[in-house]
Amino acid sequence: EAQVTQNPRYLITVTGKKLTVTCSQNMNHEYMSWYRQDPGLGLRQIYYSMNVEVTDKGDVPEGYKVSRKEKRNFPLILESPSPNQTSLYFCASRRQGQNTEAFFGQGTRLTVV
Amino acid sequence: KQEVTQIPAALSVPEGENLVLNCSFTDSAIYNLQWFRQDPGKGLTSLLLIQSSQREQTSGRLNASLDKSSGRSTLYIAASQPGDSATYLCAAPNNAGNMLTFGGGTRLMVKP
Repeated sequence: EAQVTQNPRYLITVTGKKLTVTCSQNMNHEYMSWYRQDPGLGLRQIYYSMNVEVTDKGDVPEGYKVSRKEKRNFPLILESPSPNQTSLYFCASRRQGQNTEAFFGQGTRLTVV
Repeated sequence: KQEVTQIPAALSVPEGENLVLNCSFTDSAIYNLQWFRQDPGKGLTSLLLIQSSQREQTSGRLNASLDKSSGRSTLYIAASQPGDSATYLCAAPNNAGNMLTFGGGTRLMVKP
């Protein structure tokens, strides 16, 4: 089954404790990206990757890091999480090209206390 | 910068009614628009992608239209069912195709 898989689905952590949210897709998509969803602010892009070893900032990259060492994986790293990073996070992927559909993971609900 | 707006923010209808969800965007130079469904606490499920060269796209009881000149897209749901209750989001890509700009969503409730 074609899918984007995020882990963990739920995470509660403390301020300053490094964490990684994993994202994996099995569709051989070139494009992958991370979004966060907050009440009243909607979905905003954090980082994106156009292919292996090619990453760039989205609208809200502060406090996050990413890497793309393999085509299928695009982990999101919070080196020193803060309470304002409490949010619902989504990973997405799509094939290269103008009119290709984006597929989203099931989301990771992160709480930083 | 692209801005995407969805009105109304919430909608409640009786089962069986046909309904239209609206999406407007400020930059008409888009090459597609995608509609998603989001259930509470869940991920986004892609419903339809309508290309700029198309005027309509259909999937089952769903029909999406796109009018670039007016900066509008609509999602038509025929014969609504309680299972259609969810938040519906529209999203437009930027010119580089590396980011989607989302509307705020329309929260739909279909009452039995």
